Amino acid sequence: DIVLTQSPLSLPVAPGEPASISCRSSQSLLNTNGYLYLDWYMQKPGQSPQLLIYLGSNRASGVPDRFSGSGSGTDFTLRINRVEAEDVGVYYCMQALQTPITFGQGTRLEIK
Amino acid sequence: QVQLQESGPGLAKPSGTLSLTCAVSGDSISSNNWWSWVRQTPTKGLQWIGEIYHSGSANYNPSLKSRVIISVDKSKNTFSLNLTSVTAADTAIYYCARSNFVRGLIEGYDYWGQGTVVTVAS
Repeated sequence: DIVLTQSPLSLPVAPGEPASISCRSSQSLLNTNGYLYLDWYMQKPGQSPQLLIYLGSNRASGVPDRFSGSGSGTDFTLRINRVEAEDVGVYYCMQALQTPITFGQGTRLEIK
Repeated sequence: QVQLQESGPGLAKPSGTLSLTCAVSGDSISSNNWWSWVRQTPTKGLQWIGEIYHSGSANYNPSLKSRVIISVDKSKNTFSLNLTSVTAADTAIYYCARSNFVRGLIEGYDYWGQGTVVTVAS
């Protein structure tokens, strides 16, 4: 199975400040079609995960442009330009390159 | 608006079978998407269980494969999860989700059910 390792696991951020979450994969997530099969999800307290970023860097419908994804091969980053109170939750990366699909362990973002 | 809704017993007995159904609205189960089950526990986090296409083709997590069957009912626009020989380790929140398949690309799990808690206990 592909192992995804996120860091940090806890991320206190002041409102208006930037935030960055890393996701490292145990193997390259670059498909032969040239796309990176790495997604990012956010799970607010008591809710289902919601899609933020797909195929490495594409924002899902309705996701604010303060969220961005980047990366190549095995190293990926989710960035939030200016954190807002509504961004509190747990962030997960997920690889869809091969089954079984696997998730990172999650990064809990909290407001300072 | 696409919506997914899980349903089923919230309690399963050890060594018994856990059965859940996901009702899909706003999209056809026969569309060009895959339909998945994911579960969440405090200790293991998010775990992919498996997925199914409307043709009946399915993929399962090898760690659960011997105990899992995912099926689709096109007449009801639903898909279902059966997990046999359950133990306390199968206690989790179970989610159904749609894997958005666009022009040959998997564009993430864009719709999720609200999740249903299943407890395995006697």
